[in-house]
Amino acid sequence: GAVVSQHPSRVICKSGTSVKIECRSLDFQATTMFWYRQFPKQSLMLMATSNEGSKATYEQGVEKDKFLINHASLTLSTLTVTSAHPEDSSFYICSARDPSGRAFDEQFFGPGTRLTVL
Amino acid sequence: SQQGEEDPQALSIQEGENATMNCSYKTSINNLQWYRQNSGRGLVHLILIRSNEREKHSGRLRVTLDTSKKSSSLLITASRAADTASYFCATETGANNLFFGTGTRLTVIP
Repeated sequence: GAVVSQHPSRVICKSGTSVKIECRSLDFQATTMFWYRQFPKQSLMLMATSNEGSKATYEQGVEKDKFLINHASLTLSTLTVTSAHPEDSSFYICSARDPSGRAFDEQFFGPGTRLTVL
Repeated sequence: SQQGEEDPQALSIQEGENATMNCSYKTSINNLQWYRQNSGRGLVHLILIRSNEREKHSGRLRVTLDTSKKSSSLLITASRAADTASYFCATETGANNLFFGTGTRLTVIP
């Protein structure tokens, strides 16, 4: 199956700093990537849909100025958490769809990035 | 909210027994997918069932879908300790977004 990677896997930062998380599709081109957030013992919540070459589409309640998404190439999307606060501490997971693959409607998930804001 | 609901929230069974998890959702869907997540890790895709399908099998997994009741079930037969994980259903609508259910935490006791 298709592989999606995330970097870093874990990050600890001070309150007020910005953190960038990368999501890469390793063996396919992804025109669309998705960013999710998961709080401890809770489900995944879709934050935004990242579209290559255009603006991201944010879900209701997600601040686009706080969670900056850039999808500059067909294999890379980045999520930047700006001016992070302790309440932003969470598990961030990306996924990508491989439109050319046999499982065209399947999303492939990255391993996640655990962000801890002190 | 489009998020689905799963029950039970937690399930504890003995190794060898079958585990059944249920998922209910609210809107029309293109497909419904089941995922597994080990603690603090990423998601593993288990199975996808399309809206025009009623049942699907994959190894020890059996998934049913009832679109009239907007519900799905995941059956894991002959459970193993390695099946211990959280299981999520996720529905895909016309917007191609996935909305996840609340999850079931399965514990299989050796």
